[in-house]
Amino acid sequence: EAGVTQFPSHSVIEKGQTVTLRCDPISGHDNLYWYRRVMGKEIKFLLHFVKESKQDESGMPNNRFLAERTGGTYSTLKVQPAELEDSGVYFCASSRDYGSEAFFGQGTRLTVV
Amino acid sequence: AQSVTQLGSHVSVSEGALVLLRCNYSSSVPPYLFWYVQYPNQGLQLLLKYTSAATLVKGINGFEAEFKKSETSFHLTKPSAHMSDAAEYFCAVSEFGNQFYFGTGTSLTVIP
Repeated sequence: EAGVTQFPSHSVIEKGQTVTLRCDPISGHDNLYWYRRVMGKEIKFLLHFVKESKQDESGMPNNRFLAERTGGTYSTLKVQPAELEDSGVYFCASSRDYGSEAFFGQGTRLTVV
Repeated sequence: AQSVTQLGSHVSVSEGALVLLRCNYSSSVPPYLFWYVQYPNQGLQLLLKYTSAATLVKGINGFEAEFKKSETSFHLTKPSAHMSDAAEYFCAVSEFGNQFYFGTGTSLTVIP
């Protein structure tokens, strides 16, 4: 069984540019989460999809961040325009059921210069 | 509100020595508690989880953790450290089994 896959693994962009991160969850997992770790800080929740619907987006920092989950499969997280403070590692996780084990991807390291 | 505190951002132990990584949590309801490990260039991997069954939880790679409600702690231990245990360890709490609240992580170094 393939794990959670994230693309790209690294991205370096200039301030003001747009970046789109992608997450492919484990097949059959209805729950998909995005998290972010800013250097030296804790991993923070961004949002939670159940299938294609946003269940909880309370962790999204501001309206420069837009997450979508087309057809309840893969998800994208777009940052537009990117700012320096958006740098960090973005993790995606998926789980089959509410409360079951969440499997994490290896993360996308985003650097905004 | 939920939060997790991991004492010690860096811990060094000698190979063969006891590993003790500390985690304290706050939660308004009985929580789910987790330890995740991240090896270099890899994703987060679940080590073990507590979900209101036995208070002593055994995980993978010889790790275990004990849930102590009175101390609001969920410390991670391993009797004998191995070089392959060098990684970053994250404690996390979840009240309803959905989103996690993570600690800041503890980087474990194993000295040969």
